Order: sequence, then structure tokens, then C-alpha cells
Amino acid sequence: KQEVTQIPAALSVPEGENLVLNCSFTDSAIYNLQWFRQDPGKGLTSLLLIQSSQREQTSGRLNASLDKSSGRSTLYIAASQPGDSATYLCAVNAGNNRKLIWGLGTSLAVNP
Amino acid sequence: NAGVTQTPKFRVLKTGQSMTLLCAQDMNHEYMYWYRQDPGMGLRLIHYSVGEGTTAKGEVPDGYNVSRLKKQNFLLGLESAAPSQTSVYFCASSSGSSDTQYFGPGTRLTVL
Repeated sequence: KQEVTQIPAALSVPEGENLVLNCSFTDSAIYNLQWFRQDPGKGLTSLLLIQSSQREQTSGRLNASLDKSSGRSTLYIAASQPGDSATYLCAVNAGNNRKLIWGLGTSLAVNP
Repeated sequence: NAGVTQTPKFRVLKTGQSMTLLCAQDMNHEYMYWYRQDPGMGLRLIHYSVGEGTTAKGEVPDGYNVSRLKKQNFLLGLESAAPSQTSVYFCASSSGSSDTQYFGPGTRLTVL
């Protein structure tokens, strides 16, 4: 059974730091992996989608990598800003029905 | 282009009452999903639909029913609400099973 784990559960950093969020999954047979952002009391916003054949995807200050063989993905945030404060969730798209399997998220606080 | 909208935003029910949550999307997506999000448990799929007139069970379907009479709408019904159904409910849509999911803002439901 596919399981997705995100470490750390919470992270607090000063503004300007580069940081890495981790996501691990137990079964490497995935179609893609997706990173989302959730602001308090709001819905989820898609950040990056990495296909199983890709190694990384970039969008602005965000870079997501994927290593299927080790069952790991990282989300790199460069030059963090207070506006980056949110919960970041990763989800893997797997299985015959291609539904998303979700991690519990990393709650990020970027302090001015 | 409103994306995915959900009605209502908040609702308080008494045990045994019924209600329907409405999700609408204007992106002509084939796939639509209903999730619930609970602290410490992450997002769990309740039901989903792969096209107009179709529905399928997700991970936690008991106590819920759904309908997809029109492509743009996906309704989630609670016939007899229970306190265990207190949660935040999110609707999402995607063009394909492996594509990015777009989320609505959520409905916060409390069952007393």
C-alpha cells in the first residue's frame, strides 16, 4: 500500500533562508508527484507537478526534484519570504485508478 | 473564470439532519473529486467522478452519496449527519486522472 510521509511536520525559518521540504513514498510505481500549498482556512493551490519520467520541475523560486528509485521528492524554496508561510503538501498519483495519495504536510513559518 | 466554487462555505447541522454540498467548475474538466480534511489524517477521498453521469467510491464513502448530473457540477449529500462527519470538505477537478487537481475553497461543516 502506497504511503506518503512528509518531514518535518513543522518548520520555522527567518526570512531570506533557502529551505528544503521532504516527501517520501513507499512504492516507486507512480505516475507523477504533485506539490500543493494550503493557506490557513483556504483551499489547496497546485505548485508543481513532476511526471515519473522527470527529475525536476521549476517555477520561480520553487524547485521540486523527484528520485523514484529512492522514493523521495524535495521541494526547494529559495530566498524565503513571509508570504511563503503556509502548509505544503505532496501527493503521489499512483495505482490503477490513478488517485492521489497524500502526505500530512509541512507547516512552514517564515519570520520577518 | 471562477475555477472551482463550493456552496456553502460554513454549515452547522444537528445529528440526523441532511444536507447537500454543491461543487461547480467552469474549466470543462472531466474528473471531479470530493475530499475531507481532518487534523492528523490528511486529505481523504470520499467519492469521485470520471465524467458526467458517473460516480465512484473513494477511500471513505460511507455516510455520503454523490451525483454528477451535469458535467460542471458535483453534489455531495449527507442523508443523516453524524458528529464524525464534522470536517472540512474540499471539492477538486482535473482534466485527466493524472493531471493537476484544482481545488475549491472548502466547506467547514460542524455536526452537533
